[in-house]
Amino acid sequence: GAVVSQHPSWVICKSGTSVKIECRSLDFQATTMFWYRQFPKQSLMLMATSNEGSKATYEQGVEKDKFLINHASLTLSTLTVTSAHPEDSSFYICSARDIQGNRNTEAFFGQGTRLTVV
Amino acid sequence: AQKVTQAQTEISVVEKEDVTLDCVYETRDTTYYLFWYKQPPSGELVFLIRRNSFDEQNEISGRYSWNFQKSTSSFNFTITASQVVDSAVYFCALSEALYGGATNKLIFGTGTLLAVQP
Repeated sequence: GAVVSQHPSWVICKSGTSVKIECRSLDFQATTMFWYRQFPKQSLMLMATSNEGSKATYEQGVEKDKFLINHASLTLSTLTVTSAHPEDSSFYICSARDIQGNRNTEAFFGQGTRLTVV
Repeated sequence: AQKVTQAQTEISVVEKEDVTLDCVYETRDTTYYLFWYKQPPSGELVFLIRRNSFDEQNEISGRYSWNFQKSTSSFNFTITASQVVDSAVYFCALSEALYGGATNKLIFGTGTLLAVQP
């Protein structure tokens, strides 16, 4: 399947600091990337849809000022958790849609980033 | 609204037993995709299958098989002769099908934790 890479795989940060997570499409160009969040022992929920060159679309209940998304190129989207708090501790995972839209790339996810805020 | 229900929270079987994981979905879309993923303890999402709503043929891949029945809105997953390595959380997911074959955001079920005992 298509390759989507996330970095870092895990991060521990102090409460109040900001953390940036990168999602890269390695072998295709992606106009759209999807950011999901998974709390421990729970399902995955879409946080936002990242669109290259324009503003992200956030799901209801997700604070856009807290979870900043930048999709500056066709291969990279970043999610920044600003002023992180312990309740933001979660598993963040992304997927990406190929620019041609017909390769089923949305089905393939990055390896995820486990964020722990202490 | 789209919804995916995985009624089985946890299943425990003994190695070599067959096990079926249930998935029931709701959607008003006439064209959609259904997915199954495996999430081992490491956290990454392993893509298992994507099925188009127009294709009701059952599929078999090694020890895995899927039964898609539109009449009952179900997409069940069977593992034959289970092995300890099959132990993981399994997610069923649903997505709107976009023009050209691309998919929109994935709506996940709550997952089924499968424990295969030696």
